[in-house]
Amino acid sequence: DVKVTQSSRYLVKRTGEKVFLECVQDMDHENMFWYRQDPGLGLRLIYFSYDVKMKEKGDIPEGYSVSREKKERFSLILESASTNQTSMYLCASSYHARGNQPQHFGDGTRLSIL
Amino acid sequence: DQQVKQNSPSLSVQEGRISILNCDYTNSMFDYFLWYKKYPAEGPTFLISISSIKDKNEDGRFTVFLNKSAKHLSLHIVPSQPGDSAVYFCAARGAGNKLTFGGGTRVLVKP
Repeated sequence: DVKVTQSSRYLVKRTGEKVFLECVQDMDHENMFWYRQDPGLGLRLIYFSYDVKMKEKGDIPEGYSVSREKKERFSLILESASTNQTSMYLCASSYHARGNQPQHFGDGTRLSIL
Repeated sequence: DQQVKQNSPSLSVQEGRISILNCDYTNSMFDYFLWYKKYPAEGPTFLISISSIKDKNEDGRFTVFLNKSAKHLSLHIVPSQPGDSAVYFCAARGAGNKLTFGGGTRVLVKP
């Protein structure tokens, strides 16, 4: 079974803090993704990565950055947290070139910015 | 502009009956469509998918239908069970393996 692990289930931070969200997958997947989920808006893609050291902007990258130093780990960074970044953050991974393969998700980090 | 829309935010159905969830999309370049199920405090789990070259895919109680000319897909759950109560997201794959998600439909199956 695919396992995508997010380091924290719940996190509370203050406005202006630098926040790190960590994600690890154990299936040797090339692709990794960060989404945020907000009511009525579904999941929106923040950043994704096809390989180590590679990163691509998703649909809502403003205020975020990412790091992928190892294949199994993908970090999301909030450079200076703001209240509008309070949300559920979801990490996902998938194979890159094996036909139609779904993305597999972690359980999410509920982040509150005060 | 939302490229994938689920116009029904919620659906209530009696146990044993059929649940039909709908999803519309605008981008004709989408080539692969998926349905995910999400329970509270858990990540989405993959349910069923369909390639754009097919019009139907079935897996047990779950069937997905794709109407490319109408840019519409639907998920049928027959028979519905209380454990099916969850939020369902449809998603469509575009360039670069990126998924675009709908806003979700909350399903409540009443015993």
